[in-house]
Amino acid sequence: GAVVSQHPSRVICKSGTSVKIECRSLDFQATTMFWYRQFPKKSLMLMATSNEGSKATYEQGVEKDKFLINHASLTLSTLTVTSAHPEDSSFYICSAREWGNTIYFGEGSWLTVV
Amino acid sequence: QKEVEQNSGPLSVPEGAIASLNCTYSDRGSQSFFWYRQYSGKSPELIMFIYSNGDKEDGRFTAQLNKASQYVSLLIRDSQPSDSATYLCAVGTNAGKSTFGDGTTLTVKP
Repeated sequence: GAVVSQHPSRVICKSGTSVKIECRSLDFQATTMFWYRQFPKKSLMLMATSNEGSKATYEQGVEKDKFLINHASLTLSTLTVTSAHPEDSSFYICSAREWGNTIYFGEGSWLTVV
Repeated sequence: QKEVEQNSGPLSVPEGAIASLNCTYSDRGSQSFFWYRQYSGKSPELIMFIYSNGDKEDGRFTAQLNKASQYVSLLIRDSQPSDSATYLCAVGTNAGKSTFGDGTTLTVKP
């Protein structure tokens, strides 16, 4: 079964609203989780590193005020897309590293902003 | 040099043949390797992951990892038209970050 669970798998929201995506490590504690996004006709790109108990580290060009990341516990990181717009429609996926440095990916979330 | 390189293709194979997809990476400290399949307009889906040198088989899919040569490949046996998709290679480092290749488009012709 999945060791990293991502929810929701699909979400539709209205333009201007906010939407939250959760990433949970089920069998291990993850001090660090990662969020990725796929742009149209492109591969997936790292958006940010989520650090438990501290601020996330964002990659260059990613708006931290728009993509809020919270890593409140050792098993949960959330990505909130604030004031979503149609151009934010994308596939978002998270990953987590367990203590043995093995990486596990969530199942991904497909966001559609209408 | 890109961190993860894949031949963009398109790679075309006849139905029933073996499709071989290759991926090279630059970070020698990489520990985790993934293959995703993405149909046009759909979400990527994980089809294989491999963490140790050697081969890993799952049905018609075999992932091969050679850390010394820094490449990971995906073999698809008895290719079917339904295997036609873009295949993304992802490489994860010790630090936990993963880098995705740009993908290889595979076309399996009936």
